[in-house]
Amino acid sequence: SAVISQKPSRDICQRGTSLTIQCQVDSQVTMMFWYRQQPGQSLTLIATANQGSEATYESGFVIDKFPISRPNLTFSTLTVSNMSPEDSSIYLCSVTGGGADTQYFGPGTRLTVL
Amino acid sequence: QKEVEQNSGPLSVPEGAIASLNCTYSDRGSQSFFWYRQYSGKSPELIMFIYSNGDKEDGRFTAQLNKASQYVSLLIRDSQPSDSATYLCAVNSNTGNQFYFGTGTSLTVIP
Repeated sequence: SAVISQKPSRDICQRGTSLTIQCQVDSQVTMMFWYRQQPGQSLTLIATANQGSEATYESGFVIDKFPISRPNLTFSTLTVSNMSPEDSSIYLCSVTGGGADTQYFGPGTRLTVL
Repeated sequence: QKEVEQNSGPLSVPEGAIASLNCTYSDRGSQSFFWYRQYSGKSPELIMFIYSNGDKEDGRFTAQLNKASQYVSLLIRDSQPSDSATYLCAVNSNTGNQFYFGTGTSLTVIP
């Protein structure tokens, strides 16, 4: 399976600011995904990021709030814009690899918004 | 109706017992089914995937799939305290492009 890293691992931010989260993979992958996991809850897909095309956002998530870049096949960023305390969550990137459609997750970014 | 449903637990079993985790899904056309383990404060880790009806065994873990009943389960034999975690069931959509995750079952193995 691919080795996935995320930066930062955690951050504490002020309301109204923005944070960009980076996801780096050690091999080329076609599809990358961004998830949010709020405290005590399961994973919610934010968007799918494919290289060379606009990200596809799930219902309830918009590009202005969560802009995504995918400049190449090994890297993606997710920005959480104009943050509020409700954005406090763990943000995870994942990639498909190995057996067909299996998804593997990065270590996550724990975000706290004050 | 949620795409994937799990009993949230918590489920407690004594060390050495069999832990049984269950999951149902709504999309009859789903083709791929996954079990992830998530320790507190960590990201989900893939345990097993299963595509075909029946059982699939990997060490102490057995995944069971029944597409007619839209049911997938995970059995953990000889449970260890290190198995204490939240177990997430995931189902790949009929289009193959999106995972749907259950809310997870919290398992505690009591020494």
